Amino acid sequence: ETGVTQTPRHLVMGMTNKKSLKCEQHLGHNAMYWYKQSAKKPLELMFVYSLEERVENNSVPSRFSPECPNSSHLFLHLHTLQPEDSALYLCASSQSSSGGFVNEQFFGPGTRLTVL
Amino acid sequence: TQLLEQSPQFLSIQEGENLTVYCNSSSVFSSLQWYRQEPGEGPVLLVTVVTGGEVKKLKRLTFQFGDARKDSSLHITAAQPGDTGLYLCAGAGRTGGYQKVTFGTGTKLQVIP
Repeated sequence: ETGVTQTPRHLVMGMTNKKSLKCEQHLGHNAMYWYKQSAKKPLELMFVYSLEERVENNSVPSRFSPECPNSSHLFLHLHTLQPEDSALYLCASSQSSSGGFVNEQFFGPGTRLTVL
Repeated sequence: TQLLEQSPQFLSIQEGENLTVYCNSSSVFSSLQWYRQEPGEGPVLLVTVVTGGEVKKLKRLTFQFGDARKDSSLHITAAQPGDTGLYLCAGAGRTGGYQKVTFGTGTKLQVIP
């Protein structure tokens, strides 16, 4: 138990569906992240929210839409996905400090997404 | 784009053997982290190394950061089945006031009893 929960754990959706992934952190952190992990690529950073403001969007297609309503919750809204979007989607949180040290990221267990 | 190459990609060894995993990049990082990911879970941080040439030990695991802070290695002594998992190195730095981590290609380790 890392203090970061994700729901659902598994999701199967058609290309025309709309669904949302949810992430909640119970650690009091001020930064949250979405990553994509697929079989043939390194773990890819998708979005970063720092103090509830999106600070990074790594050229992610618009069919992925993040939302961070508060510092504890992060959503990833999905619509008209493609089969190549099938992957494990991981959420993480960390406490960003003003100093130079990079703190640990705590990951959730992920949502295994299959797009048919 | 910063790229971290890990080798080997896959490793299957017998319990009790030693192994080394390498993480190489052409970029300099302010710090480098190693994570382990088990099936059905997210990555969990093992160690962070900050200073060039730094060596850290975590029980049977020894981590080293290269002098130029571009590469790192993870050495496991007398591997156990519980060491099985995906090992990820990650170059870390700060961008615009928040931290950013770039993950390596990963090494999948299987330790056979």
